[in-house]
Amino acid sequence: EPEVTQTPSHQVTQMGQEVILRCVPISNHLYFYWYRQILGQKVEFLVSFYNNEISEKSEIFDDQFSVERPDGSNFTLKIRSTKLEDSAMYFCASKGGAGWQETQYFGPGTRLLVL
Amino acid sequence: AQSVTQLGSHVSVSEGALVLLRCNYSSSVPPYLFWYVQYPNQGLQLLLKYTSAATLVKGINGFEAEFKKSETSFHLTKPSAHMSDAAEYFCAVSATSGNTGKLIFGQGTTLQVKP
Repeated sequence: EPEVTQTPSHQVTQMGQEVILRCVPISNHLYFYWYRQILGQKVEFLVSFYNNEISEKSEIFDDQFSVERPDGSNFTLKIRSTKLEDSAMYFCASKGGAGWQETQYFGPGTRLLVL
Repeated sequence: AQSVTQLGSHVSVSEGALVLLRCNYSSSVPPYLFWYVQYPNQGLQLLLKYTSAATLVKGINGFEAEFKKSETSFHLTKPSAHMSDAAEYFCAVSATSGNTGKLIFGQGTTLQVKP
């Protein structure tokens, strides 16, 4: 069964460093998302991506964050200068259709720790 | 704005007992509702979803949920808990503001199953 994959599974970085989180969505899906979950808190929406551009972003997704789909398969989230409060589990998701009822399929997540 | 509230961050049941995980939603339009499960070190997996076709929705692993508009609820149940059901469970609503179908999650409920 097709699945969303994410790398790395864990990343430790120093404050101020750049990190890139990688995701490979399900191959025929067109809609891509990043969510994050700070320890003990809700899963929060960060950004959605469709047709090679951001379709919606949350207040969290400021200028330090960027996304791209560089090669038609990978979907990346970059944090330019990490802060302590960026420590969280980051989930990538994808879905095939546009409808609100369409299922989003999630990857296993990347646990980011900023020191 | 749409929101989801899960009552009880931790639920503990004995093996073979009824599982009841509570979810209440707030939405000014008919909602699309989802239950996801997260097993340790894995991504979020869809258990079931409500898309207005039927108020009683059956999902995987013997779980089901009933949409009750009058109570704005979408509680998840399973008649008999198995040890393998121990996981974290998330209720979510698909946001109908905007056109991206981002998910808005509840706080999550950790289910413990005792032998």
